[in-house]
Amino acid sequence: NAGVTQTPKFQVLKTGQSMTLQCAQDMNHNSMYWYRQDPGMGLRLIYYSASEGTTDKGEVPNGYNVSRLNKREFSLRLESAAPSQTSVYFCASSDWPGQYFGPGTRLTVT
Amino acid sequence: RKEVEQDPGPFNVPEGATVAFNCTYSNSASQSFFWYRQDCRKEPKLLMSVYSSGNEDGRFTAQLNRASQYISLLIRDSKLSDSATYLCVVIMNSGGYQKVTFGIGTKLQVIP
Repeated sequence: NAGVTQTPKFQVLKTGQSMTLQCAQDMNHNSMYWYRQDPGMGLRLIYYSASEGTTDKGEVPNGYNVSRLNKREFSLRLESAAPSQTSVYFCASSDWPGQYFGPGTRLTVT
Repeated sequence: RKEVEQDPGPFNVPEGATVAFNCTYSNSASQSFFWYRQDCRKEPKLLMSVYSSGNEDGRFTAQLNRASQYISLLIRDSKLSDSATYLCVVIMNSGGYQKVTFGIGTKLQVIP
């Protein structure tokens, strides 16, 4: 039982490049989330998916797209990376109570 | 005013001390509350849920005060291993939409 897994762990992109962050959970949770964490800002919700086939914007969705591929997988795509997207990205899944987080992806955009 | 506010600290306390953190929230319609622990460069992990009646788990006690709109976390007999950042989380459900707001976290350093 791996919990929530994320790939890659680290990534460096040039401005304008695209990439997809992958997330999978094996806990049979319905809800999944993508957050970014920046110093002094706390975790901010980018997108979430309450169930397979549905996605909703969070607090900071601009510049991102998501896909809830199936119940297990929820991916985050950066179509044209910008330096402002340099951050640590966490995926989480949820079953009451609370959320379970993956180990994070450290992304640097130069 | 921020939706969820925490004192970022750091709180430096000696081993064995009791330490308390507060977290205030601005939206009185908020429904669910949690404390998470985050170690340096690691993911947040659920510590405990917070209820009006209080919630105790070993050395940790969490409390919700709806009238004053804050939640608290009390750690008794601090251990070195308690050193971490403690995040409060406030959740509001409205019309099928779930709003999850994290505080910036309070850093605790327990000193030998």
